[in-house]
Amino acid sequence: QQQVKQSPQSLIVQKGGIPIINCAYENTAFDYFPWYQQFPGKGPALLIAIRPDVSEKKEGRFTISFNKSAKQFSLHIMDSQPGDSATYFCAASMTSGTYKYIFGTGTRLKVLA
Amino acid sequence: DVKVTQSSRYLVKRTGEKVFLECVQDMDHENMFWYRQDPGLGLRLIYFSYDVKMKEKGDIPEGYSVSREKKERFSLILESASTNQTSMYLCASRGLIGEQFFGPGTRLTVL
Repeated sequence: QQQVKQSPQSLIVQKGGIPIINCAYENTAFDYFPWYQQFPGKGPALLIAIRPDVSEKKEGRFTISFNKSAKQFSLHIMDSQPGDSATYFCAASMTSGTYKYIFGTGTRLKVLA
Repeated sequence: DVKVTQSSRYLVKRTGEKVFLECVQDMDHENMFWYRQDPGLGLRLIYFSYDVKMKEKGDIPEGYSVSREKKERFSLILESASTNQTSMYLCASRGLIGEQFFGPGTRLTVL
């Protein structure tokens, strides 16, 4: 019940393409769903986050789609660029209680020039 | 901007040594976390602290301990380092709306 399943493990797209990374969770008590971007040798950086009261959130070229009934959420990167090549992690958390994050296992994205 | 700093970027230690990893945050956050990151396994929670002197075990606490004597500082201790503790260690602190801010990580190699 505590797992967050992330797919795919890796993804290669051409510049300008729209990579989509998917995550699924089980615990309906989760109420905060962030995405992190990590470049090699760096710590993860918060990219965008969503709460279950909205179905979509956009920040620049990054969009989260959220499907509460299916317990799934996904990250879309519009007009992807080679500089977006990184590892992306989804996570789920409860904003009350222990505040622990449950992370997905990560998606390594490569955007070809 | 929130800043989370870690004492070392790279560390090489020998089996059996006691290892201290330090983390400092400058935003007066109450909650701090230690993770390890391994290829294919993502980030796994070792320990977290929700206040000074308060700590809780995460998912993989065996072989580790922590110390939080001051609000801004959270230390991870490997009592007797082993080769299977070779990993990237990441510290994070939690903001007011649930977001976690990560440090740059410490890549630890145990020989």
